[in-house]
Amino acid sequence: QVQLVESGGGVVQPGGSLRLSCAASGFGINRFGIHWVRQAPGKGLEWVTFLRYDGVSKHYADSVKGRLTISRDNSQNRVYLQMNSLRLEDTAVYYCARGVDWPPSIQLWGQGTLVSVSP
Amino acid sequence: QTVVTQEPSLTVSPGGTVTLTCASNTGAVTSGNYPNWFQQKPGQAPRSLTYNTVNRQSWTPARFSGSLLGGKAALTLSGVQPEDEAEYYCLLYFGDGDAQTWVFGTGTKVTVL
Repeated sequence: QVQLVESGGGVVQPGGSLRLSCAASGFGINRFGIHWVRQAPGKGLEWVTFLRYDGVSKHYADSVKGRLTISRDNSQNRVYLQMNSLRLEDTAVYYCARGVDWPPSIQLWGQGTLVSVSP
Repeated sequence: QTVVTQEPSLTVSPGGTVTLTCASNTGAVTSGNYPNWFQQKPGQAPRSLTYNTVNRQSWTPARFSGSLLGGKAALTLSGVQPEDEAEYYCLLYFGDGDAQTWVFGTGTKVTVL
C-alpha cells in the first residue's frame, strides 16, 4: 500500500527545535521527490521545501531558509524535516507529499502532523 | 514575493458548472508553471486532482478539467455533485536554472447549493 505517515509533531517554545519524520511505504524515496507543505490553523497551504529523488537537490521557501532542513535516510525509507529557531508563525499542520520531478507535481499526501510553537 | 491569487468563494448548483481560476502577480500563468490543482475537505489532507495543466490523476473524475484561460490556470467542474463542496488550491512551479520554488494559491471555497 502506497502511503506516507508523518510523525514528530508537538508543542515547542519559540527558539526551540523539532524534527519531523515522514515514513514512506509502497515505494522507494530514492525514486520520488518529497515535499513538505504546511497549513496554519484556518489558513491556506504553504509550500515549504522539496527534496529531489537524487537526494542532492533541495529547495526551500524564503520563509524557512536557514532554519528548516530537509534530509532523508534511504535505509529507513524516511524523509526528515529538521526545524530550528522556531517562531510562533511556524505553528501549522505539516504534510509530507510525494512529488514527481517532471512535470513538477505533487501526487500523494500524508495525513499531517501538528507543530505548535507556544511560549 | 510571488503571490498566487484565487477567488475566495464560489457557489454552484448541483449539476451545474463552475470555473475556478489561478493568477500570478509575476505575469501570465503558462504551461511552464505546470499548474496543479488540489481538493481539501474539512479535517482532511489535500488530494491531488490534476497536474501539468490538463492531466487528471487516475482517481480524478472526468468532471474535473484543468486548462489555461486568459493568462490564468483554470479548473472547471462540470455536472457538480454535492461531494464536490470543498476548498480548492492551485499550485504553480517557478523554475529559474537551479532555483526552483512552488507557490500555492490562496484557495477557493466551493459551495454546492
